[in-house]
Amino acid sequence: KAGVTQTPRYLIKTRGQQVTLSCSPISGHRSVSWYQQTPGQGLQFLFEYFSETQRNKGNFPGRFSGRQFSNSRSEMNVSTLELGDSALYLCASSPGVAGGPETQYFGPGTRLLVL
Amino acid sequence: EDQVTQSPEALRLQEGESSSLNCSYTVSGLRGLFWYRQDPGKGPEFLFTLYSAGEEKEKERLKATLTKKESFLHITAPKPEDSATYLCAGGYGGSQGNLIFGKGTKLSVKP
Repeated sequence: KAGVTQTPRYLIKTRGQQVTLSCSPISGHRSVSWYQQTPGQGLQFLFEYFSETQRNKGNFPGRFSGRQFSNSRSEMNVSTLELGDSALYLCASSPGVAGGPETQYFGPGTRLLVL
Repeated sequence: EDQVTQSPEALRLQEGESSSLNCSYTVSGLRGLFWYRQDPGKGPEFLFTLYSAGEEKEKERLKATLTKKESFLHITAPKPEDSATYLCAGGYGGSQGNLIFGKGTKLSVKP
């Protein structure tokens, strides 16, 4: 099976702009989670989508949003970019059918640099 | 607030020198403990999932164990290619998509 794919792999934006990142999960996986990774804070959970619905949300401002399509592909959007949004954004997928935590499989990430 | 803490932050070993990495977690509500390996510039690579105290899993030179309050990743006779950051994460309650990660242990294995 193909793994989780993310596009683009690298992105440079300026403050105030917005950005959209894309994630294609492993075939058959219906849950997609997004994480932000920075050297200081490590991996922090942004949100999780399952069957086109946001099921969980982390402690990030409303500038961070996402959506999921009927084929389970997901996008996340960051509006009004700030310098502190520079990070590696990781997408992870899992089957989503268990009644609790499942093993998540990560993509290679999108490296975002905000200037 | 649920927390996962890893120690040490960094570990340098000589090739063949066995050691252990520690992951302590908020005990209440833990329903799964996950170990990942992350190479620079890449996404985390899944290693192990542990669900119950006393559970152990092995893969090549790595062995993960889980007690009632912490997990260990034992590395036996490491090789330079084992150099990476090792992350542990806790899954809590009914939250299927939200894993709480520790800051990781950066392992360097010198030949």
